[in-house]
Amino acid sequence: DTAVSQTPKYLVTQMGNDKSIKCEQNLGHDTMYWYKQDSKKFLKIMFSYNNKELIINETVPNRFSPKSPDKAHLNLHINSLELGDSAVYFCASSRSSGAVSNTIYFGEGSWLTVV
Amino acid sequence: QQQVKQSPQSLIVQKGGISIINCAYENTAFDYFPWYQQFPGKGPALLIAIRPDVSEKKEGRFTISFNKSAKQFSLHIMDSQPGDSATYFCAASGGTDKLIFGTGTRLQVFP
Repeated sequence: DTAVSQTPKYLVTQMGNDKSIKCEQNLGHDTMYWYKQDSKKFLKIMFSYNNKELIINETVPNRFSPKSPDKAHLNLHINSLELGDSAVYFCASSRSSGAVSNTIYFGEGSWLTVV
Repeated sequence: QQQVKQSPQSLIVQKGGISIINCAYENTAFDYFPWYQQFPGKGPALLIAIRPDVSEKKEGRFTISFNKSAKQFSLHIMDSQPGDSATYFCAASGGTDKLIFGTGTRLQVFP
């Protein structure tokens, strides 16, 4: 009964390919996120959506395009993959974007390796 | 100044010992300071959090100490156990849900 689930868990792909990572949360939360964790474990926010509306868009190459079909889903599409895109991508959700102290719940991560 | 500086990068503690991880921030607008725990192959999970109106918060063996004037906060794990071995992240935010994470501390507790 996973709260934030993302697929695939592992993805190995060649440079130049396009790939998508899907995320779903069953917590009834309004806000969803994508975080990137690099090989040194640095965690950095990429995007935040509230009720399907883009709220936060960090300095991320426009090869990365999030899509939120509804508030329970936030997918990440990556075009023209590069070696430097290799990382663990975490989907997360929280109750709303208004209260700063809302707990953020993370999925288990999608391990992307670009070769 | 959006950074949150965390130290040490790694920590080795014997079972039963005290683990201490420190964080410092610059942005005085930050008003929420959570700690997240991440086990290998898993996503980070909230461990404990504090707001700057208190100087200490304790939950079981985990305590956050907060020094507002110094803009520092720390996590203390008392009676550290092998099951506490994980990567710990401090974080900070203010006004939005944009959590700024520290660089992480890999804790290893040996029996």
